[in-house]
Amino acid sequence: GEDVEQSLFLSVREGDSSVINCTYTDSSSTYLYWYKQEPGAGLQLLTYIFSNMDMKQDQRLTVLLNKKDKHLSLRIADTQTGDSAIYFCAVERRSNYQLIWGAGTKLIIKP
Amino acid sequence: DGGITQSPKYLFRKEGQNVTLSCEQNLNHDAMYWYRQDPGQGLRLIYYSQIVNDFQKGDIAEGYSVSREKKESFPLTVTSAQKNPTAFYLCASSIGTSGFGSYNEQFFGPGTRLTVL
Repeated sequence: GEDVEQSLFLSVREGDSSVINCTYTDSSSTYLYWYKQEPGAGLQLLTYIFSNMDMKQDQRLTVLLNKKDKHLSLRIADTQTGDSAIYFCAVERRSNYQLIWGAGTKLIIKP
Repeated sequence: DGGITQSPKYLFRKEGQNVTLSCEQNLNHDAMYWYRQDPGQGLRLIYYSQIVNDFQKGDIAEGYSVSREKKESFPLTVTSAQKNPTAFYLCASSIGTSGFGSYNEQFFGPGTRLTVL
């Protein structure tokens, strides 16, 4: 069936780059999304990419999309303590156009 | 100040009791959603509504019920038929109905943590 997979944890040093990866099975999504969840809170949209793009850059964030391999990644440059959160990728389900969510990657920042 | 609110933030109930979680939005959004979040799992869709007086089951609707009598409100009832109700519940809304190729940014409330004792 349709699925979205992410690693559950990523640990990086403050100031380094973080790369969070996501793979998906349903390739029909027109938009692919990254959301951020801070502790005990709801999610908020961080960025998104249109499916006909390979890359999108937005300040410290870079999204890469490899449609052939069904792989999406989020790179955060110069990672700061404020980036500590859980990051979810989400793609559109072909059958009912609702979003399918990955399990979320918890980003841990080491001083 | 536009946004989406959920109440209460924490809720404790005894096993076998029904409980209703509130979700209100003043963003004038047509679509609203209920998700359940469990540790180590992605958000799972319980119910969604694309317009007033209409809603559809999501992936895990069993043991839950909803209503959409007003555009601003989409309450979720967790019934005693739900076998494992303890979880973090998130409500969201989006500006329009979903459809192939449409942009669907969802705006989330702060969540309600339900614990069944």
